[in-house]
Amino acid sequence: GIQVEQSPPDLILQEGANSTLRCNFSDSVNNLQWFHQNPWGQLINLFYIPSGTKQNGRLSATTVATERYSLLYISSSQTTDSGVYFCALDLRSNTGKLIFGQGTTLQVKP
Amino acid sequence: SAVISQKPSRDICQRGTSLTIQCQVDSQVTMMFWYRQQPGQSLTLIATANQGSEATYESGFVIDKFPISRPNLTFSTLTVSNMSPEDSSIYLCSGGGGRGDTQYFGPGTRLTVL
Repeated sequence: GIQVEQSPPDLILQEGANSTLRCNFSDSVNNLQWFHQNPWGQLINLFYIPSGTKQNGRLSATTVATERYSLLYISSSQTTDSGVYFCALDLRSNTGKLIFGQGTTLQVKP
Repeated sequence: SAVISQKPSRDICQRGTSLTIQCQVDSQVTMMFWYRQQPGQSLTLIATANQGSEATYESGFVIDKFPISRPNLTFSTLTVSNMSPEDSSIYLCSGGGGRGDTQYFGPGTRLTVL
């Protein structure tokens, strides 16, 4: 089956620092989403990005589908950015079902 | 976008009992799914909730343990049956337009089985 690998698994930042999270995948995809899971367990949609680049405030994401990876950039990090970041994929052969990576746990220190 | 609510938000249950979790979407969605997130782990798909017919289960999940209903396009339930401590997890429902479409998630139900 498809492999979804996220790196790094854990990341500690000082407030104000920038970071890049990576998601590698082993097959063609219909859909790629980035989520932030806050400390209360809520999954928040960050980006729907099967290809190309999108930006939303301090966050941006780029997916290079032909090379099978996606990057999530966090600039000027804040303590509220702490939590787990997941990428999730919908395979071309499936219908809406998402396969999740193992996540990157981010801690931003004041 | 879709706004999804779940009830209950959390529960503590005794071994051998069952719990039914409700998922409500504020608009009609084509697809609804149920996921499990075990402590410290990522999310794993349990099943696709099919409107008016039996759910489609992923490998490792069976209807007797996780019966699912979806009577219409905005509502679904997941029952965790004959619970054991290994069932302690967060259970999340999601909804969206289908293949290649954005999926939205409910806030999750945090289940602890004693």
